[in-house]
Amino acid sequence: LAKTTQPISMDSYEGQEVNITCSHNNIATNDYITWYQQFPSQGPRFIIQGYKTKVTNEVASLFIPADRKSSTLSLPRVSLSDTAVYYCLVGESGGYNKLIFGAGTRLAVHP
Amino acid sequence: NAGVTQTPKFQVLKTGQSMTLQCAQDMNHNSMYWYRQDPGMGLRLIYYSASEGTTDKGEVPNGYNVSRLNKREFSLRLESAAPSQTSVYFCASLGPNEQFFGPGTRLTVL
Repeated sequence: LAKTTQPISMDSYEGQEVNITCSHNNIATNDYITWYQQFPSQGPRFIIQGYKTKVTNEVASLFIPADRKSSTLSLPRVSLSDTAVYYCLVGESGGYNKLIFGAGTRLAVHP
Repeated sequence: NAGVTQTPKFQVLKTGQSMTLQCAQDMNHNSMYWYRQDPGMGLRLIYYSASEGTTDKGEVPNGYNVSRLNKREFSLRLESAAPSQTSVYFCASLGPNEQFFGPGTRLTVL
């Protein structure tokens, strides 16, 4: 199982770009990298998934270097509503496997 | 589509009591998962299931049993609740790219 390591917490201000990096040194060839967001008292929800290079959707971008041993979630122009915990997971996309969450990164966005 | 539903939303038990947490999904997903989340912590995998009749242990299976009744339903049972099992329990199902989570069950064991 590919273990992930993220910063425990980050602080930012409204309107700034936030980059959260996740390390996954023993990622396997078939593994994808998936990021989730969790608000208090709610279950996590999917943000973005990628395999290599760069993926962008309407809420975030995901940057994955060629060696795939890390990934960076980029949130452009954050607002107060982006205050949440962000989790990085590694595993086969859609595949049945032991999906383990790490401790996540607690992002606080300040006015 | 209701997505992933969980019942009950809240439950208070006394030490030694038993109960079953129910989870159902209407997205025709094969794989389902049970996690627990203690205050201020990340999610920890309890059990997961690939299909009806198939279950596997996660990170913290002790004190729990599960049943994959059919493709839709995956239940979690506490046979003899302990205060250490006070937590929020999330059920999830796995789609083509992502997991879909239920709203959670907040369980307190006194």
